[in-house]
Amino acid sequence: SQTIHQWPATLVQPVGSPLSLECTVEGTSNPNLYWYRQAAGRGLQLLFYSVGIGQISSEVPQNLSASRPQDRQFILSSKKLLLSDSGFYLCAWSVHLSQETQYFGPGTRLLVL
Amino acid sequence: KQEVTQIPAALSVPEGENLVLNCSFTDSAIYNLQWFRQDPGKGLTSLLLIQSSQREQTSGRLNASLDKSSGRSTLYIAASQPGDSATYLCAVRPGTGRRALTFGSGTRLQVQP
Repeated sequence: SQTIHQWPATLVQPVGSPLSLECTVEGTSNPNLYWYRQAAGRGLQLLFYSVGIGQISSEVPQNLSASRPQDRQFILSSKKLLLSDSGFYLCAWSVHLSQETQYFGPGTRLLVL
Repeated sequence: KQEVTQIPAALSVPEGENLVLNCSFTDSAIYNLQWFRQDPGKGLTSLLLIQSSQREQTSGRLNASLDKSSGRSTLYIAASQPGDSATYLCAVRPGTGRRALTFGSGTRLQVQP
């Protein structure tokens, strides 16, 4: 069966520090991968998605970047965190089927102080 | 730009009640619609996915309907239980080939024992 992992689960970082959040998927190959952010009291916002290694699409201009160095690994990064980067970051995957249900990871809670 | 609205934002019901959660979207050109459940501080769990050509999907006590022309979906929960307490999110995938989901802000459900 497929599983999706995210780490760390929780992170507290000072403003201006770098960020690296990791997401890995097991049990499937060539998944579509997604990074979402959920700010307090708001819906989920898609940040990036990837259909293959090295292929990244950005949905909104921001302080963050994403990379996909391996088929089942998706990394969210920042060189200098802003206060507004605080939120709950969710990674998701889907397969190349007609239904394309998206499956979500457990999330990383980021607090920038 | 697609907008997804969920009403009500919060709902509290006694155990055993049947209830309906509403989701509306502004652009009817969707590929599919998905309902998720999110427990506090956790990731999302996919409940039901309805293709644009379908009218409804059922899973156990859950039934989701889709009226694409009017831009509406409902999630019906029969015989609610305290374990159903969570935030329920609906999300639509556009019909233009993009894989990004647009989420509503959710309905927070509390089922009182």
